[in-house]
Amino acid sequence: KQEVTQIPAALSVPEGENLVLNCSFTDSAIYNLQWFRQDPGKGLTSLLLIQSSQREQTSGRLNASLDKSSGRSTLYIAASQPGDSATYLCAVCSSGTYKYIFGTGTRLKVLA
Amino acid sequence: DAGVIQSPRHEVTEMGQEVTLRCKPISGHDYLFWYRQTMMRGLELLIYFNNNVPIDDSGMPEDRFSAKMPNASFSTLKIQPSEPRDSAVYFCASSLESLWVNTGELFFGEGSRLTVL
Repeated sequence: KQEVTQIPAALSVPEGENLVLNCSFTDSAIYNLQWFRQDPGKGLTSLLLIQSSQREQTSGRLNASLDKSSGRSTLYIAASQPGDSATYLCAVCSSGTYKYIFGTGTRLKVLA
Repeated sequence: DAGVIQSPRHEVTEMGQEVTLRCKPISGHDYLFWYRQTMMRGLELLIYFNNNVPIDDSGMPEDRFSAKMPNASFSTLKIQPSEPRDSAVYFCASSLESLWVNTGELFFGEGSRLTVL
């Protein structure tokens, strides 16, 4: 059974800092991994999708990496801004099941 | 595209009443997912459909919960009878997976916030 863990649970940083959010999963037989952002009271917005054959994906100030063998993914946010404040969730889709299992999220606060 | 559309956005009901949540996936998407989000348990997958057929309902908590997808553009999640512990935000998501478009990216609706008194 796939389990997804995110560390840290909460993070508070000053504006401009580069930061790394971590996601780990127990079963390396995955189809893809997706990072989402959720603002309070809102739905989830997809940030980056990494297929199992890829090592990383980039979008603007965001970079996500995937290491299947170690069961880990990281989301790197460069030059953080107050507008980046949100909860970030990773979701892992296991091979053969097409089930997306979510981590518990990292609540990020960027201070101006 | 209008994205995934859910209704109602908010529902307040009394224990024992029937609740029906609705979802319209993105046109052309062949997978539809129902999730439940609570502070205690995070996002839990309840059930998912492929081409309108339920594939895995192992996350449905009890027989009080049921979900249907009568056609490619509509799905419902029903709770009967509702209980206070069902209070949560219920999300619908859809994705496209085919031989030609191999992405599997999930798109979420804004959610339906359910409060059972």
